[in-house]
Amino acid sequence: LAKTTQPISMDSYEGQEVNITCSHNNIATNDYITWYQQFPSQGPRFIIQGYKTKVTNEVASLFIPADRKSSTLSLPRVSLSDTAVYYCLVGPNYGGSQGNLIFGKGTKLSVKP
Amino acid sequence: DGGITQSPKYLFRKEGQNVTLSCEQNLNHDAMYWYRQDPGQGLRLIYYSQIVNDFQKGDIAEGYSVSREKKESFPLTVTSAQKNPTAFYLCASSIGGREAYGYTFGSGTRLTVV
Repeated sequence: LAKTTQPISMDSYEGQEVNITCSHNNIATNDYITWYQQFPSQGPRFIIQGYKTKVTNEVASLFIPADRKSSTLSLPRVSLSDTAVYYCLVGPNYGGSQGNLIFGKGTKLSVKP
Repeated sequence: DGGITQSPKYLFRKEGQNVTLSCEQNLNHDAMYWYRQDPGQGLRLIYYSQIVNDFQKGDIAEGYSVSREKKESFPLTVTSAQKNPTAFYLCASSIGGREAYGYTFGSGTRLTVV
C-alpha cells in the first residue's frame, strides 16, 4: 500500500486553524485517504475520509488536490482538547484487501492556551 | 451502545507466563484486528480476522496467538516466546475486510512485564 509521510509534530494556539499535510506519492487509483485521531492511552478514532477534492464534516475538512499525491487535514479553531496524534492512512475502501494498513508515527499536535 | 470492549485495562505478566487479552464487540462487524503500540510509535498489526474461524498473521505475529470462535470475540494470547511484550495493545473491528474506513478501536490494554 501507499506509504505516507507526515510531520512528526506541530504546535498551535487555541482558536487557530491547523493544517496537517500528508504526502502519499504512490497512492493507487482505488485508494482512499483516511485520518484518525488518538489521545494518550486510548484507541484511534476515525475523523474523516475522502477520495478527491474536498470533504467536510462537523469535525474537520480534508483537501485533496487533483493529483492525489498529498492531502491536508484542516482543523478549524482548535482547542486544548484537540491535542492528540493524527494519523493519515491510505488504502482501499472495500472488503478483502490484501494490503496492510499502516499507521505511521502520525503527527503530534500540541495546542497551547 | 455498540462498541468494542477490551479487558483488562492494565495487565502485569511475569517472565515466562502466557497471558490472554480479551476483545469483545457488539457492532456485528465481520473483521477484527490486533495492534501493538510502543511509546512514541505508530500501530503495528499483529493478527487480523475477516471471518469466524479464520485469521491471518500481521507484521509482528511471532510470540502471539489468536482465536476467532465467535464473531463477537477475538482474544489475543501473548506467549512466553514474545521477547518484549511490554506495550499498549489495541483491538479494532470493521464492517468487512481491511478497509481504512470505519475502523472502531477499543480503549486498549497496557501490558507490563514484571
